[in-house]
Amino acid sequence: EAQVTQNPRYLITVTGKKLTVTCSQNMNHEYMSWYRQDPGLGLRQIYYSMNVEVTDKGDVPEGYKVSRKEKRNFPLILESPSPNQTSLYFCASRHRGASYEQYFGPGTRLTVT
Amino acid sequence: DQQVKQNSPSLSVQEGRISILNCDYTNSMFDYFLWYKKYPAEGPTFLISISSIKDKNEDGRFTVFLNKSAKHLSLHIVPSQPGDSAVYFCAAGGTSYGKLTFGQGTILTVHP
Repeated sequence: EAQVTQNPRYLITVTGKKLTVTCSQNMNHEYMSWYRQDPGLGLRQIYYSMNVEVTDKGDVPEGYKVSRKEKRNFPLILESPSPNQTSLYFCASRHRGASYEQYFGPGTRLTVT
Repeated sequence: DQQVKQNSPSLSVQEGRISILNCDYTNSMFDYFLWYKKYPAEGPTFLISISSIKDKNEDGRFTVFLNKSAKHLSLHIVPSQPGDSAVYFCAAGGTSYGKLTFGQGTILTVHP
């Protein structure tokens, strides 16, 4: 089954404790992206990657890191999480040549206390 | 600066009637527009799209209209069904490769 998976689905952590949210897709998509969803703000792009070893900042990259060492994986790293990073996070992917249609993962609910 | 705006946070409609969701954008470089639907505890799923060279695209009960001069697009759902109750996001692309800019979302509730 073609899908984008994220782990964990739910995470409660404390300020400053490094964490990684994993994202994996099995559709051989070149393009992957991370978004956060906050009430009243919709979905905002954090980082995106057009292919292996190619990443770029989105609209709200501060406080986040990403890496793309393999085509299928695109982890999101919070080196020192803060309460303002409490949010719902989505990973997405699509083929390079396709329209802008992206496939989204199920989301990761992160709470930073 | 919110380049894509959905000014109605919520919409309530009776089953069988038409639902109209609206979206405005400010960036004239956008050339591709999409609607996504999101149920609770799930990721957004693609619903329908339209290129800037068209003014209408239809897929079953869903039709998207684009008015480039007004920088406005709308999604029509006819007839509305209770299963359509979800959050709807409009999105626009075209300013840089692969980047989508999303609106704030509109919660649609269809009452039986």
